[in-house]
Amino acid sequence: QQQVKQSPQSLIVQKGGISIINCAYENTAFDYFPWYQQFPGKGPALLIAIRPDVSEKKEGRFTISFNKSAKQFSLHIMDSQPGDSATYFCAAIENGNKLVFGAGTILRVKS
Amino acid sequence: NAGVTQTPKFQVLKTGQSMTLQCAQDMNHEYMSWYRQDPGMGLRLIHYSVGAGITDQGEVPNGYNVSRSTTEDFPLRLLSAAPSQTSVYFCASRSGQSGNTIYFGEGSWLTVV
Repeated sequence: QQQVKQSPQSLIVQKGGISIINCAYENTAFDYFPWYQQFPGKGPALLIAIRPDVSEKKEGRFTISFNKSAKQFSLHIMDSQPGDSATYFCAAIENGNKLVFGAGTILRVKS
Repeated sequence: NAGVTQTPKFQVLKTGQSMTLQCAQDMNHEYMSWYRQDPGMGLRLIHYSVGAGITDQGEVPNGYNVSRSTTEDFPLRLLSAAPSQTSVYFCASRSGQSGNTIYFGEGSWLTVV
């Protein structure tokens, strides 16, 4: 049973468009919510992260929106570029130790 | 991925064979963990360790053993490999609190035939 539910499974966006990936969770013990980017043949790399006491965090073209009451958070990629094509994972850390992942979203940005 | 080294990169095993995936980090991180990645499943936590001599189970621990005799090393052992263990394995580490960056190794591709 996936502790963090991620959607969509795959996403195709035109260059310059906005990519949106959504995640939902149930476990209120989660205290940190990172997003990872993974290119083929590589390990995941931290993209951006947020704590549940913050509703939004922006770093460059990447923004996390967090809705604590709904137990949902999302990643927005503004001005999507072909170089953003990768697999994206949302994740959550439970009690400071266990990092659990969503199932992943394969993003393809068409030029 | 700086600092987390996994070996081997690729391995083919026969059913019933045993092997160890090695993981080493040179960042003096207390926390280390092993994940497996399967299509449509994301990364699932196998085992983790919060320091030398301390290990605990994750979501999918069956069929795997770990030990943490030093801060640097966290090997993952498959005692009797099964085809269901065909996967990509990632080791990860971080220091201190949950908000710190987790670093992943480059992965180990394991096929059990």
